[in-house]
Amino acid sequence: EAGVAQSPRYKIIEKRQSVAFWCNPISGHATLYWYQQILGQGPKLLIQFQNNGVVDDSQLPKDRFSAERLKGVDSTLKIQPAKLEDSAVYLCASSFEGDGYTFGSGTRLTVV
Amino acid sequence: GENVEQHPSTLSVQEGDSAVIKCTYSDSASNYFPWYKQELGKGPQLIIDIRSNVGEKKDQRIAVTLNKTAKHFSLHITETQPEDSAVYFCAAQWDYKLSFGAGTTVTVRA
Repeated sequence: EAGVAQSPRYKIIEKRQSVAFWCNPISGHATLYWYQQILGQGPKLLIQFQNNGVVDDSQLPKDRFSAERLKGVDSTLKIQPAKLEDSAVYLCASSFEGDGYTFGSGTRLTVV
Repeated sequence: GENVEQHPSTLSVQEGDSAVIKCTYSDSASNYFPWYKQELGKGPQLIIDIRSNVGEKKDQRIAVTLNKTAKHFSLHITETQPEDSAVYFCAAQWDYKLSFGAGTTVTVRA
């Protein structure tokens, strides 16, 4: 089966600019997650979707981050405006029944 | 929320030796404990997992043990090979959400 697709692979932006990341989960996976992984740390959950509804966004900095999952398939994560501390790898993952996550390769964001 | 601690942060072993990584978790409701391997520039890849109703699971050279009473689980890699060099993460799941440890960088010396 095809894996979780993410784009772009790399992005460099200046602080206060906006950026968007895209994720296409494994076909049939109802649950989709966005994680933030800062260099040298474990991934931290930002938001969890079940189909096209948000299950948990308690860790999402909603003043600057937003995410949507249209039609219960693809998802986008947006940051506006970006701060230096947003530099990280943004990982998308999907699962069929809540465990056995499959991660994408991530988008490495550098804010300068 | 769940808090997962992982030790050691770095581990260097001679090829052929064993490697052990230990994790503790805080939420007794956590019921699923996967281990991920992350290579440079790639996303985490699931290598083995264990559920709360099982004490031990083995898959070829890797094994995981779980002590629910102590809220402690461990990854064991035997007969290490250079391709085992990577960052390893433990995680604990509650309510379909994973909380990760900080990671262990394993280096296998030839």
